[in-house]
Amino acid sequence: EIVLTQSPATLSVSPGERVTLTCRASQSVSSNLAWYQQKPGQAPRLLIYGAFERATGIPARFSGSGSGTEFTLSISSLQSEDFAVYYCQQYSNWPPMYTFGQGTKVEIK
Amino acid sequence: EMQLVESGGGLAQPGGSLRLSCAASEFSFSSYWMNWVRQAPGKGLEWVASIKENGSEKYYVDSVKGRFTISRDNAKKSLSLQMRSLRAEDTAVYFCATKILEPGDAFDIWGRGTMVTVSS
Repeated sequence: EIVLTQSPATLSVSPGERVTLTCRASQSVSSNLAWYQQKPGQAPRLLIYGAFERATGIPARFSGSGSGTEFTLSISSLQSEDFAVYYCQQYSNWPPMYTFGQGTKVEIK
Repeated sequence: EMQLVESGGGLAQPGGSLRLSCAASEFSFSSYWMNWVRQAPGKGLEWVASIKENGSEKYYVDSVKGRFTISRDNAKKSLSLQMRSLRAEDTAVYFCATKILEPGDAFDIWGRGTMVTVSS
């Protein structure tokens, strides 16, 4: 089973700051990695797929990078609506055995 | 608007059963893999099960194998999750999800979820 480890667990930031979240995989997932945003009481929302491709309708301030075992999600200038929990997910296995990271909470400083 | 709506959650006793449903609308349901993902209270996301477009292949996370069964009715545009031998650790919000818009296998369409509580 591929384990995804996200860091940090919590990030306290001020609006307008740039943030970088990290996701490390226990073995290579190539570029088969996605990032989701989840707000309280809501379903997750896909932000990034294929490690760096923005999903439809996602603002350009969100960007993803990395391949293999190390990935990052960056938010160039944090907006008030960006305070949420962010999860990475790998989908490289076959048969499917999708796994998620434990999440990073981005909170207001 | 493409939509997934879950139903069937509620309170079940340990060892009991519950059947969840997910109704799809505004997309070609029979053309896509479908999935269940759960989230225990205050915890992260966990993939539970996936089913191929025609139902011929089904996959499960180890912790539910032999207890949960995923199925679909393409004519009714409906996905189901039959849960048996429920445990306290199955308590979670259960989401159905699929990949439609984007390349790859990330889930870009999600329902709002249905809450399952396993308690005596």
